[in-house]
Amino acid sequence: GQNIDQPTEMTATEGAIVQINCTYQTSGFNGLFWYQQHAGEAPTFLSYNVLDGLEEKGRFSSFLSRSKGYSYLLLKELQMKDSASYLCAVRDPGAGNNRKLIWGLGTSLAVNP
Amino acid sequence: DGGITQSPKYLFRKEGQNVTLSCEQNLNHDAMYWYRQDPGQGLRLIYYSQIVNDFQKGDIAEGYSVSREKKESFPLTVTSAQKNPTAFYLCASSMGTGTINEQFFGPGTRLTVL
Repeated sequence: GQNIDQPTEMTATEGAIVQINCTYQTSGFNGLFWYQQHAGEAPTFLSYNVLDGLEEKGRFSSFLSRSKGYSYLLLKELQMKDSASYLCAVRDPGAGNNRKLIWGLGTSLAVNP
Repeated sequence: DGGITQSPKYLFRKEGQNVTLSCEQNLNHDAMYWYRQDPGQGLRLIYYSQIVNDFQKGDIAEGYSVSREKKESFPLTVTSAQKNPTAFYLCASSMGTGTINEQFFGPGTRLTVL
């Protein structure tokens, strides 16, 4: 079956760096997404990885290793507003046109002062 | 401004009543999706549509129905057959083409069935 694993909760301190891991087990691979979701709000797109390596976008970076079925989201210079749930999602390889996503349960990050 | 709108933000219904949730997008996206989110459950796909007049069941379609008569609109009806309808419902859309094809989400509708 298809499966995505993320830690349920994480805590970090304002100004620090935090790494949120995601491992996936799927029958194929066509891309991985990270979304941010604040409580009671809609998810917003953060990053996309399809090739191995690091993608950097300001304070946020995302890394992918396809051979290990592993990704992480790195948040630098943490701010209080970064307290949110971070969702990892993988394209469903069984979907003919790759439009469906398989979602992890999300990692709830609490940033403390 | 382009975006996705969902209305209403909060909705209350009595048990046994059907209710329709609205989703409209002006992003000119081909694909649209409906998700349900429950605490600790993550996003679960209810229905999705790749083009007008076509839609497919997702992982938890039982008790729900949709239509896609216009590109901009993808309403979801929660029927009385849905056993646990109280949840946060999210609508999303994507271009359907392109390298990334990320999904953009509406603000969601929180449905409470009393």
